Amino acid sequence: GEDVEQSLFLSVREGDSSVINCTYTDSSSTYLYWYKQEPGAGLQLLTYIFSNMDMKQDQRLTVLLNKKDKHLSLRIADTQTGDSAIYFCAERFTSGTYKYIFGTGTRLKVLA
Amino acid sequence: DVKVTQSSRYLVKRTGEKVFLECVQDMDHENMFWYRQDPGLGLRLIYFSYDVKMKEKGDIPEGYSVSREKKERFSLILESASTNQTSMYLCASSLFGTSTDTQYFGPGTRLTVL
Repeated sequence: GEDVEQSLFLSVREGDSSVINCTYTDSSSTYLYWYKQEPGAGLQLLTYIFSNMDMKQDQRLTVLLNKKDKHLSLRIADTQTGDSAIYFCAERFTSGTYKYIFGTGTRLKVLA
Repeated sequence: DVKVTQSSRYLVKRTGEKVFLECVQDMDHENMFWYRQDPGLGLRLIYFSYDVKMKEKGDIPEGYSVSREKKERFSLILESASTNQTSMYLCASSLFGTSTDTQYFGPGTRLTVL
């Protein structure tokens, strides 16, 4: 079935790199996304990757996609306290609907 | 910038009450969505709409209905609120036909049903 899985919690020290992982099920997804949710706020798009790409870099963010294993990761370099948030991965279905499937979210806590 | 607003940030209602959650977007987006967010479950799609007066059920439509009379406004209705509908409700919109189909989210409404 349709499922996007993430670990629930991650804790890192300020200045270290964070790696948030996600596994998905639909191999026909065209786009995969990372969203960030700060406390008390809605979701904000961080970055996305097209399914024919292996990697995308955007400043401190690096997205890696392993289509064979259906594994997506988000690396945040030089993690700051302002990066503390919940991070959601999402896949966009290509079945003709407008449907996304979101992961459970990973709560990142950055320790000073 | 796209702006998606939701009518209330916090709402407290009693069991059995009819509840309206409103969402408005100002960027002429065709697609609008209602999700609920619960700890450990992520976001689950309740309903979505791809045009005025058009709607489709998402994964958990039971106990909810929606209304889209105008393009910019998408309402979520709880006909008879129950305690298991206590949750964070998130509205989103997206523009039809873009390659990335990015969804833009409102700030959320935290609903408590007593």
